[in-house]
Amino acid sequence: DVKVTQSSRYLVKRTGEKVFLECVQDMDHENMFWYRQDPGLGLRLIYFSYDVKMKEKGDIPEGYSVSREKKERFSLILESASTNQTSMYLCASSTGGGWSEQYFGPGTRLTVT
Amino acid sequence: DAKTTQPNSMESNEEEPVHLPCNHSTISGTDYIHWYRQLPSQGPEYVIHGLTSNVNNRMASLAIAEDRKSSTLILHRATLRDAAVYYCILRFGTGGGNKLTFGTGTQLKVEL
Repeated sequence: DVKVTQSSRYLVKRTGEKVFLECVQDMDHENMFWYRQDPGLGLRLIYFSYDVKMKEKGDIPEGYSVSREKKERFSLILESASTNQTSMYLCASSTGGGWSEQYFGPGTRLTVT
Repeated sequence: DAKTTQPNSMESNEEEPVHLPCNHSTISGTDYIHWYRQLPSQGPEYVIHGLTSNVNNRMASLAIAEDRKSSTLILHRATLRDAAVYYCILRFGTGGGNKLTFGTGTQLKVEL
């Protein structure tokens, strides 16, 4: 079975802190994605990567950066966390191709106080 | 990106069929129709996808209108475990890193 794991299920950080969210997949997938999910807004794409060291902005990249140094790992970075970044963060991976399914991790509930 | 429209919520009784509609009137010829669902406290999971023809798999069936401007996800016998938010998504068939653009989906409630 494909497995996408995220470093934490719950995380509490203070305003201004630098936050790292880690995602690892074990299926040698080319594509990896970071989404955030908020009530009433559904899932929104933050960044995605289609290869090592490659990244593309999604719909809401402001306030975030990403890193993909190895194929299996995709990190989301909040350089200076703010309260409006309190959210559920979901990582996903997929093979290439427009028809391929995405596999999601369990999510990280981040609270910024 | 082409948009989809789904009802906010639907209800069903256990062991009855459920038809979840989705309108996508601005779909383009290269857009695949994908369905995902999200169970409580979990990440979304893939259900089914199609391009032009109806599709069946172990989880559900996907019926696509002839003009492709609408589709219906069919759960043949709903169970309590099928209570989830169901998302209908259009995705470009070529390039674009196969991004998914989620809407707010349909909350399916299943009752005994």
